[in-house]
Amino acid sequence: QVQLQESGPGLVKPSETLSLTCTVSGGSISSHYWSWVRQPPGKGLEWIGHLYYRGNADYNPSLKSRVTVSLDTSRDQFSLQLSSVTAADTAVYYCARAYYDATLNFDSWGQGILVIVSS
Amino acid sequence: SSELTQDPAVSVALGQTVRITCQGDSLRNYYASWYQQKPGQAPVLVIYNKNNRPSGIPDRFSGSTSDDTASLTITETQAEDEADYYCNSRVSSLNYWVFGGGTKLTVL
Repeated sequence: QVQLQESGPGLVKPSETLSLTCTVSGGSISSHYWSWVRQPPGKGLEWIGHLYYRGNADYNPSLKSRVTVSLDTSRDQFSLQLSSVTAADTAVYYCARAYYDATLNFDSWGQGILVIVSS
Repeated sequence: SSELTQDPAVSVALGQTVRITCQGDSLRNYYASWYQQKPGQAPVLVIYNKNNRPSGIPDRFSGSTSDDTASLTITETQAEDEADYYCNSRVSSLNYWVFGGGTKLTVL
């Protein structure tokens, strides 16, 4: 059974870049879509973007200018970079595996990591 | 604002049937998937491809779609079904996906 684990700093200063890594175990990263989803405290889920293992990336248009998702198959990891952060980017960030079968289905999730944007 | 609209809160008596809906134009062309999220936990996929359940999801969970509305139905609702439920679908022909605003299900 595949497992995902987020890691990275829990506190980021405004205007800086948020960087998170998701380590995948129990399954190959050389398949599926590798995704990031976030959830501001007390609010709903927001899809950030994903990278298909063959290299195609799609991003939420509202974040596209600031987001990069990358894949490191040698380490079974994928990463999120979100630049020029503000307090509005404070959220629990989840990494997730997804597969496409008529629609995109997020079938495995990390436990989430809280990132606070504050000086 | 979300392009998929869900009722913020729904309640159901223990053992009864409840329907949670998700409305959006994109649902005329694309299936929805459904996620259950309990407090402090990551979401869990409960329905995919309109009405398929992943392994381990009880058969009291089912999905359907009519026109621009997708529905998640829970029959014989149990106390452990109390959670937030989110739908997700592709947005029109664009390569991005959106979650509904979520529905908080309370089991009375």
